[in-house]
Amino acid sequence: KAGVTQTPRYLIKTRGQQVTLSCSPISGHRSVSWYQQTPGQGLQFLFEYFSETQRNKGNFPGRFSGRQFSNSRSEMNVSTLELGDSALYLCASSLMTGVRNEQFFGPGTRLTVL
Amino acid sequence: KQEVTQIPAALSVPEGENLVLNCSFTDSAIYNLQWFRQDPGKGLTSLLLIQSSQREQTSGRLNASLDKSSGRSTLYIAASQPGDSATYLCAVEGEYGNKLVFGAGTILRVKS
Repeated sequence: KAGVTQTPRYLIKTRGQQVTLSCSPISGHRSVSWYQQTPGQGLQFLFEYFSETQRNKGNFPGRFSGRQFSNSRSEMNVSTLELGDSALYLCASSLMTGVRNEQFFGPGTRLTVL
Repeated sequence: KQEVTQIPAALSVPEGENLVLNCSFTDSAIYNLQWFRQDPGKGLTSLLLIQSSQREQTSGRLNASLDKSSGRSTLYIAASQPGDSATYLCAVEGEYGNKLVFGAGTILRVKS
């Protein structure tokens, strides 16, 4: 069964631009979460979507937004890019049934802001 | 606010050695704890998940334990191999929502 996929894998943007990242969860998984990983801050939670609704949000500015579609695919958007937004952006999906809630991560999108 | 700490930050061992990675968390009200492996520049690979009601989980040469009341987990790797070299991350999920709080990780190097 296919894992979590993320596109694109690499992106280079300049300050002030905006960017959209995409995540396709494992088939049947309804929850999609996004994380930012930087050398200084480590892995930080951005937000989680379940059934097209944002259920949880981390401590990031409003420039970071997301959405989920009816097929559970999710997109994340960052507007007015800053140098500090350079990071590896990871998407995770989970089944959200029963008590076991293992999360599976994609390969990430490496964003570089110049 | 949940905080997760991993000790040591880095570890270098010869091949074949058994080793223990430590993880501690400040809020014991967790839903589960998950151990991940990350290779340089790559995504996270799930190794083991321990639910809050469980004490340990095993997968091959890996064994993870959880002491929820004291806020601690350990990952035991038996007979380490060079292919085990990676960063190991511990993450806890709170009782509400699907949000993982990660530790900074332990960088493991197994020398052949």
